[in-house]
Amino acid sequence: GESVGLHLPTLSVQEGDNSIINCAYSNSASDYFIWYKQESGKGPQFIIDIRSNMDKRQGQRVTVLLNKTVKHLSLQIAATQPGDSAVYFCAGNAGGTSYGKLTFGQGTILTVHP
Amino acid sequence: DGGITQSPKYLFRKEGQNVTLSCEQNLNHDAMYWYRQDPGQGLRLIYYSQIVNDFQKGDIAEGYSVSREKKESFPLTVTSAQKNPTAFYLCASSVLGRVHTGELFFGEGSRLTVL
Repeated sequence: GESVGLHLPTLSVQEGDNSIINCAYSNSASDYFIWYKQESGKGPQFIIDIRSNMDKRQGQRVTVLLNKTVKHLSLQIAATQPGDSAVYFCAGNAGGTSYGKLTFGQGTILTVHP
Repeated sequence: DGGITQSPKYLFRKEGQNVTLSCEQNLNHDAMYWYRQDPGQGLRLIYYSQIVNDFQKGDIAEGYSVSREKKESFPLTVTSAQKNPTAFYLCASSVLGRVHTGELFFGEGSRLTVL
C-alpha cells in the first residue's frame, strides 16, 4: 500500500540554527511531494512542493531534497526562527489520474528555542 | 479576503446524532476536500470533489456523506454510522490546474467531540 512516514516525531533546535526534517515514502507512483506546516489549532499551510523528476527545489529559507533511490525526502529550513515552531507534514500525491489524493505522514513537531 | 471558512469551530454531539460541518470558499477553486486528523497522526482523506455535483470517496469515507451543489460549498455530514467520529476535521480546496501538485488551501478546522 501507499504510505508516507517520518523518521522522528520531534525536533528541537536553537534559533538561528538550520533544521532538517526527514520523510520516507513507499509509493513510487507519486509524481509530486509536498511539505505542509501546521501551527497549533490551525489548518496546514502549503510550504513547497517538488516534482518527482527533480532532486532539489528551493524556496524562501526552505529547501526540499528528494532521493528517489532510497525513497526519501527532506525539508531544510535555514536560520530557523521561533515562528517556525509547528508540526511539519510531508505528503505525496497518488500519482496517475488520482489527482488531489494526498497521503500524509504523521508529522514532525519542530520546536525552536530562543 | 479570500479563503476557506469552516463552521462551527467546536462541536459537541451525542452518540447516535448526525452532524453537518460547513465549508465555504470564495477562492473560486474547483476542487474541494475533507480530511480527518486524529491526535499524533497525519491527515486522512474522507471525500473529495473536483466539480459541482460530483464527488469521490477517499480512504475513510465510511460513516460520512457529502454534497457539492455549489462550487463554493462542500458540507460534510458525520452520520451515526461513523464509529469513532471524535476528531479534527479539515476542509481544503485547490485550483484545478494545481490539483496534481498537491497544493491545497486549508480552512481552520472543526473539532468534533462525541459525548
